Amino acid sequence: QSALTQPRSVSGSPGQSVTISCTGSSSDVGGSDHLSWYQRHPGKAPKVIIYDVNKRPSGVPDRFSGSKSGNTASLTISGLRAEDEADYYCCSYAGSHNYVFGIGTEVTVL
Amino acid sequence: QEQVVQSGAEVKTPGASVTVSCKASGYTFADYIHQWVRQAPGQGPEWMGWINPKSGDTEYAQRFQGRVTTTTDTSITTAYMELSRLTSDDTAIYYCARDRDFHLDFWGQGSLVTVSS
Repeated sequence: QSALTQPRSVSGSPGQSVTISCTGSSSDVGGSDHLSWYQRHPGKAPKVIIYDVNKRPSGVPDRFSGSKSGNTASLTISGLRAEDEADYYCCSYAGSHNYVFGIGTEVTVL
Repeated sequence: QEQVVQSGAEVKTPGASVTVSCKASGYTFADYIHQWVRQAPGQGPEWMGWINPKSGDTEYAQRFQGRVTTTTDTSITTAYMELSRLTSDDTAIYYCARDRDFHLDFWGQGSLVTVSS
């Protein structure tokens, strides 16, 4: 399984929206409804912010939303805040409890 | 409160083995598959494998087969990952995470393994 493709970095000003894409293939992103997104601040454990394409765990602000079309999934952060500055990784379930991750996107709040 | 706490940083020489531990608390450890994921510098996370504490079943990514072994000790709710025949390419942060409903909902803080001569 090859890593999923994400932009290396995106940036936005506070209050703006940014969208991170995650492109795979019909074997992973396109063929699975179990697409998740993780946020990782430096030195901290990754945290799931979206699962099953567009579901948010309890406690995750509704500024974070997910979607999918074909072989590409997207994470949108609306109303960008300073604390959103982190690395974001998409992840597709690949069957039999196997996973494939994206290369990661660094979000910078200007 | 669910928590996963991993062992500390390790420095190993090429050819050696390393074992990373992952202590779970706040939930029924044996009810969940636990995953191992690593992240090398400048790269995205890489799935390594999983273990089912209840059955002992495991599965590993093909590229690690023969070099990785995952075990658990359910009496102390701890999972272990041993990686052998280390090379500099194995320098990475190693994570364990709880697998719940096709995503990883709780992660350890990560264990840095540095392989250097």
